[in-house]
Amino acid sequence: KQEVTQIPAALSVPEGENLVLNCSFTDSAIYNLQWFRQDPGKGLTSLLLIQSSQREQTSGRLNASLDKSSGRSTLYIAASQPGDSATYLCAVRETGANNLFFGTGTRLTVIP
Amino acid sequence: GAGVSQSPSNKVTEKGKDVELRCDPISGHTALYWYRQSLGQGLEFLIYFQGNSAPDKSGLPSDRFSAERTGGSVSTLTIQRTQQEDSAVYLCASKISSDPLGYGYTFGSGTRLTVV
Repeated sequence: KQEVTQIPAALSVPEGENLVLNCSFTDSAIYNLQWFRQDPGKGLTSLLLIQSSQREQTSGRLNASLDKSSGRSTLYIAASQPGDSATYLCAVRETGANNLFFGTGTRLTVIP
Repeated sequence: GAGVSQSPSNKVTEKGKDVELRCDPISGHTALYWYRQSLGQGLEFLIYFQGNSAPDKSGLPSDRFSAERTGGSVSTLTIQRTQQEDSAVYLCASKISSDPLGYGYTFGSGTRLTVV
């Protein structure tokens, strides 16, 4: 069974710092990998989706990379802002599957 | 509606009682998913609907859990004889089926279930 792990579980950084969140998965037969943001009491918001054939995706200050062979993805956040404070989840979709396997998330706090 | 709507937002129930959780997906989204998020755990897949049928129920943890979808729209997740380990946030998501790559999941805000 696919297992998705996120490290660290929590991270606190001062405003303006660049940071990296890590995600690893055990089965490399994935269809795609997606990064979500979850704010307290709210649903998940999709940030970036990387297809299995891609190496990275960028959106504004966010950059996600994928190394399928090693089972790893990173989410890079540049010039962090207090509004970036949230829990970040990565999720993989396996080839032929309909559902997503989620990691346990990294809770990010950006200190003003 | 504009988003995925879930009700109730919070539910406290006594152990042994039955509960129903409702999900109202975005109009036109034929695919609907239920996930469970327990404290300190990642989101756990429960069931997937395509239209009114559920081709994948593999995540339902026991026969106390069931779900249905009617009219290709609203879905209800029912938990019978609730146990304390059922306490979690139950999240619903929908997407257009013509979205084969998996873009465009829209999640609801969830129902926080507490079994006392």
